[in-house]
Amino acid sequence: QKEVEQNSGPLSVPEGAIASLNCTYSDRGSQSFFWYRQYSGKSPELIMFIYSNGDKEDGRFTAQLNKASQYVSLLIRDSQPSDSATYLCAALHSGNTPLVFGKGTRLSVIA
Amino acid sequence: DADVTQTPRNRITKTGKRIMLECSQTKGHDRMYWYRQDPGLGLRLIYYSFDVKDINKGEISDGYSVSRQAQAKFSLSLESAIPNQTALYFCATSVDGNTIYFGEGSWLTVV
Repeated sequence: QKEVEQNSGPLSVPEGAIASLNCTYSDRGSQSFFWYRQYSGKSPELIMFIYSNGDKEDGRFTAQLNKASQYVSLLIRDSQPSDSATYLCAALHSGNTPLVFGKGTRLSVIA
Repeated sequence: DADVTQTPRNRITKTGKRIMLECSQTKGHDRMYWYRQDPGLGLRLIYYSFDVKDINKGEISDGYSVSRQAQAKFSLSLESAIPNQTALYFCATSVDGNTIYFGEGSWLTVV
């Protein structure tokens, strides 16, 4: 069974620090990886996606992918209280299979 | 107006009642999904549809049925609701299975 694992948290970081969120996946055939942010009671929204090994940066966010280790991470630089949310990692095997989501990591940024 | 609209947004129903959650989208996407979210369990896929003639069971389809009435409409039914179906339900769409766009969610309580 294809699984995506995340530490449920909460992960607490002080304002201005770097938050590091991690995710592992079981399906070695997964091709694409996604990070969604979800505020309490709201719908998930896409932050970033990554297909290739290495780093991908978008503003304060950096996604990192290591396919050999089956590991994906999301770094949030200069964390703000508004970043406090649950972050969902998802993996896609191919376009003909649905996304597999992890259970999410709750991040709390303390002012 | 939201691109992915779910109705009702909130519903309380009694055990044994039939309830339908409706989803419509203006994004023109062929792929539509129904997820449920429970605290600590993340997003779990109930059913998905890649086009009007295609319906697929997800991880937790028991107790649910769906209908894809048109490209833009995908409804989820609980034929005989039970309390453990109390959850937040999300409809979602995608053009190619990669980025998924979620509706605002439907809170369902079964008493």
